[in-house]
Amino acid sequence: EIVLTQSPATLSLSPGERATLSCRASQSVSSYLAWYQQKPGQAPRLLIYDASNRATGIPARFSGSGSGTDFTLTISSLEPEDFAVYYCQQRSSVTFGQGTRLEIK
Amino acid sequence: EVQLVESGGGLVQPGGSLRLSCAASGFTFSSYAMSWVRQAPGKRLEWVSGLSGSGGNTYYADSVKGRFTISRDNSKNTLYLQMNSLRAEDTAVYYCAKDSWVNLVTYCFDYWGQGTLVTVSS
Repeated sequence: EIVLTQSPATLSLSPGERATLSCRASQSVSSYLAWYQQKPGQAPRLLIYDASNRATGIPARFSGSGSGTDFTLTISSLEPEDFAVYYCQQRSSVTFGQGTRLEIK
Repeated sequence: EVQLVESGGGLVQPGGSLRLSCAASGFTFSSYAMSWVRQAPGKRLEWVSGLSGSGGNTYYADSVKGRFTISRDNSKNTLYLQMNSLRAEDTAVYYCAKDSWVNLVTYCFDYWGQGTLVTVSS
């Protein structure tokens, strides 16, 4: 099983700041990595697929990069609605990371 | 507008059974693979099971293999998960999720339902 490890566990930032979230895979997943946003009581929302492609309707402030085992989700300038939990997911054998909680500082 | 609405969750005793349903609308249901993904309280998401658009190919996580059965009725635009021999560790919110690409099984989920809670407890 491919294990995804996200860091940091919690990220405290202010609106307008830049957020950088990391996801590391225990073995290569090529570019088959997605990022999801989840707010309390809601279903996950697809943000990025195949490492760097924004899903339909996702604002340009969200971007993804990486390949192989190391991936990054960047939010260029945080909006109030961006504070949530973010999960990475690889689709080679379908596992999720443990999540990064992005909270307001 | 794509909509996925789960139902069938509830409280069940260990060893019991439950069948979840997911009613889909807003897209050509039979053209897309579907999956069930669960989330135990305070835990990460866990993929449970998936199947192709035709229903001919099914896939399971090791943790549920032999106990859960996924199926679909394309005439009713509905996805099912039959859960038998339930255990306490199966307690979770169960989401149905739609695959992103037509006629492929990619496990990239572009739409999710709101989830249904399954609690396994005596």
